[in-house]
Amino acid sequence: KAGVTQTPRYLIKTRGQQVTLSCSPISGHRSVSWYQQTPGQGLQFLFEYFSETQRNKGNFPGRFSGRQFSNSRSEMNVSTLELGDSALYLCASSLEGSAEQFFGPGTRLTVL
Amino acid sequence: AQSVTQLGSHVSVSEGALVLLRCNYSSSVPPYLFWYVQYPNQGLQLLLKYTSAATLVKGINGFEAEFKKSETSFHLTKPSAHMSDAAEYFCAVRKNNNDMRFGAGTRLTVKP
Repeated sequence: KAGVTQTPRYLIKTRGQQVTLSCSPISGHRSVSWYQQTPGQGLQFLFEYFSETQRNKGNFPGRFSGRQFSNSRSEMNVSTLELGDSALYLCASSLEGSAEQFFGPGTRLTVL
Repeated sequence: AQSVTQLGSHVSVSEGALVLLRCNYSSSVPPYLFWYVQYPNQGLQLLLKYTSAATLVKGINGFEAEFKKSETSFHLTKPSAHMSDAAEYFCAVRKNNNDMRFGAGTRLTVKP
């Protein structure tokens, strides 16, 4: 069974631009969570989607948004990029009722 | 609220020595506990998980962890370190459908 995939793996943007990251969960997994990882703040939870609905949300500004499609694939969008948005963005999927999350390789976003 | 504290941001051991990475959690009820490992430029890989079935949990690559409710701890150990164990290790806690909370991480260095 294929693991969690994220595209693209690397991305370079400039301040003020917007970006969309994509995540395909493991087949059968309907829950998708997003995390931001930075050296200074560590791993921080962004949001979780289940059955196309946002179920949990972390403490990030409204510039960060996400959505989930009927096939459970998820996208996250960051608008008006800031230098501080440079990070590794990780996606994780899980089965309903399971606390265990399986992580993708991440998308490394660099904002110049 | 649930949270995780990892004692020691850096741990250095010699090859063949015992590995001990410390994790303490705070939660009103016993949560689900996890240890993940992250190699450079990769996502997180699950090492092991505690889901109340047994207090001593065995994971991959020879790692194990013991859940001690009285100490609210879930320390990760490996009897004999290998060079390939050098990585960053994250302890995480999750309760019900809430978001996964991660510790700050411990970077393990293995000296030849």
